[in-house]
Amino acid sequence: ETGVTQTPRHLVMGMTNKKSLKCEQHLGHNAMYWYKQSAKKPLELMFVYNFKEQTENNSVPSRFSPECPNSSHLFLHLHTLQPEDSALYLCASSQDLGGNNEQFFGPGTRLTVL
Amino acid sequence: GQNIDQPTEMTATEGAIVQINCTYQTSGFNGLFWYQQHAGEAPTFLSYNVLDGLEEKGRFSSFLSRSKGYSYLLLKELQMKDSASYLCAVSDSNYQLIWGAGTKLIIKP
Repeated sequence: ETGVTQTPRHLVMGMTNKKSLKCEQHLGHNAMYWYKQSAKKPLELMFVYNFKEQTENNSVPSRFSPECPNSSHLFLHLHTLQPEDSALYLCASSQDLGGNNEQFFGPGTRLTVL
Repeated sequence: GQNIDQPTEMTATEGAIVQINCTYQTSGFNGLFWYQQHAGEAPTFLSYNVLDGLEEKGRFSSFLSRSKGYSYLLLKELQMKDSASYLCAVSDSNYQLIWGAGTKLIIKP
């Protein structure tokens, strides 16, 4: 595997379910990100990790819980979601934070909450 | 507040030139990025500008004016495969990326 991978690619869940999204980067990067992308809206930054330490939490509801066990893996644990949480969830990584560090994105998980 | 504005949708003809504009108001500035996103795929990096002026990279060029809070992405010799959304993003004073909603570019034969 190369680049940034995400599983699953598609997920349908009920509001009472618990599920997890997984992201893995094979680029040796130090920073990882979770974004939410809704139709016709800007990408919303949810969480940032640098050297597996969380540096940003942009007022994300507690029903989203991130986990970063090491610099290569990032999880997003989901529980008691709402229908408005349906969106594309993108994971990204960059060599470091800031400057001209371009972010490399995974293909995303298309989440539907019923 | 922080704001990035870009047109929602543009249409152009194969072989032509198109310019996609982006204006921004952010707390601090540490560079501006352009990304391309094909439908159903991940965004991919196109360009980064931190100083004023034009950066050329093949058929794509990106321009920045920091005093005007303005950038554009110029695509030349358009090909059908250029049909995609183009995302403008600004790195603010905390090095967080503030994203525009994207411009959907439709290329017609």
